[in-house]
Amino acid sequence: QKEVEQDPGPLSVPEGAIVSLNCTYSNSAFQYFMWYRQYSRKGPELLMYTYSSGNKEDGRFTAQVDKSSKYISLFIRDSQPSDSATYLCAPPNQAGTALIFGKGTTLSVSS
Amino acid sequence: DGGITQSPKYLFRKEGQNVTLSCEQNLNHDAMYWYRQDPGQGLRLIYYSQIVNDFQKGDIAEGYSVSREKKESFPLTVTSAQKNPTAFYLCASSIVSGDTQYFGPGTRLTVL
Repeated sequence: QKEVEQDPGPLSVPEGAIVSLNCTYSNSAFQYFMWYRQYSRKGPELLMYTYSSGNKEDGRFTAQVDKSSKYISLFIRDSQPSDSATYLCAPPNQAGTALIFGKGTTLSVSS
Repeated sequence: DGGITQSPKYLFRKEGQNVTLSCEQNLNHDAMYWYRQDPGQGLRLIYYSQIVNDFQKGDIAEGYSVSREKKESFPLTVTSAQKNPTAFYLCASSIVSGDTQYFGPGTRLTVL
């Protein structure tokens, strides 16, 4: 089993929809997770950082971690066309020396 | 303006030639990383450096080499031994290794 898995999509939604992006992980030792957003042909940018216990909200974005099922979610409320991008989840590796990136989920929000 | 710069944005090389990609940061970060991104593959770690004069192989280091002589700079050389070098290369840095990473804009390398 891969350490981090994401459904690649693409996920297509209309403007204003609530979007749920998901990530599963295999190592229960992961302590925190990051979500990155990557626009086409650009470098990823940090969106949110959440510890393995609980939720975090930042504007229209909410990150949620379910440790028992090793499942991470990123919710986007009132989605906008500018949210169209690839979303990557990334926990640290076991040694804590680098991040492990999922393959990302591509989101398309139509106006 | 603090950040990470990568140059050039696009690079074309003939097969069999070595090529060096530049990565510079002025964030005073100790750790720096190189990733390769291919369609459908996500980001794969090539090399990382936790501190000056030290670096470690990542998951796909074969055919690549790096140096870390200065805190600000972490150049990546793609050698002729790399069998399929055409890809999007991303450099990142973090305050310490394993922490939040900040990415540069990337270099798209095409080997003809």
